Amino acid sequence: QSALTQPASVSGSPGQSITISCTGTSSDVGSYNLVSWYQQHPGKTPKLMIYEGSKRPSGVSNRFSGSKSGNTASLTISGLQAEDEADYYCCSYISSSTWVFGGGTKLAVL
Amino acid sequence: QVQLQESGPGLVKPSETLSLTCTVSGGSISSYYWSWIRQPAGKGLEWIGRMYTNGNTNNNPSLKSRVTMSVDTSKNQFFLNLSSVTAADTAVYYCAREYRSSLAPWGQGTLVTVSS
Repeated sequence: QSALTQPASVSGSPGQSITISCTGTSSDVGSYNLVSWYQQHPGKTPKLMIYEGSKRPSGVSNRFSGSKSGNTASLTISGLQAEDEADYYCCSYISSSTWVFGGGTKLAVL
Repeated sequence: QVQLQESGPGLVKPSETLSLTCTVSGGSISSYYWSWIRQPAGKGLEWIGRMYTNGNTNNNPSLKSRVTMSVDTSKNQFFLNLSSVTAADTAVYYCAREYRSSLAPWGQGTLVTVSS
């Protein structure tokens, strides 16, 4: 059960859009549309931002969107704001009824 | 609104068993999957395992047979035991509910340090 691959860091300026990738395999991301994304500010609990690949929970800004192509899922944040600076983790359901996280991506808003 | 709270010893000796409780309030524990996740300081999230309220469990293979989980539906609590701990098991441990193939909500987390 290998962790999903995310870039260690991404950055953008306020108002810009950024995309964070999450690469898995045909056994996880590629097989299921069950990728979720979590935002974690320093010292805080992870917060669900996207579930089932592209759905937003109530209360999450529509600036956050999710998609998938093949074995890679992506989180896009448009209209970057200072408050978006945080760590982001993807998570995918895999076979044998287990879950795997990505290694996390640190987003810097310059 | 469902809320989760982890509790347990903050310090465990090497080779001993780490035992944590997750207490669910604001809703029933029944008919959901409940997961444990951990995060070493400065590192990423690691899924530990999950259980359904009928007792079915699934674990992270990397933790092999060290993980056992249980539930007490009468108290709206579920439990994690991690045996033969080492310093590598030092982390913040979270519990979370599975909802729509995702994890939400999460507890606030509890730091467990493995040290003699």
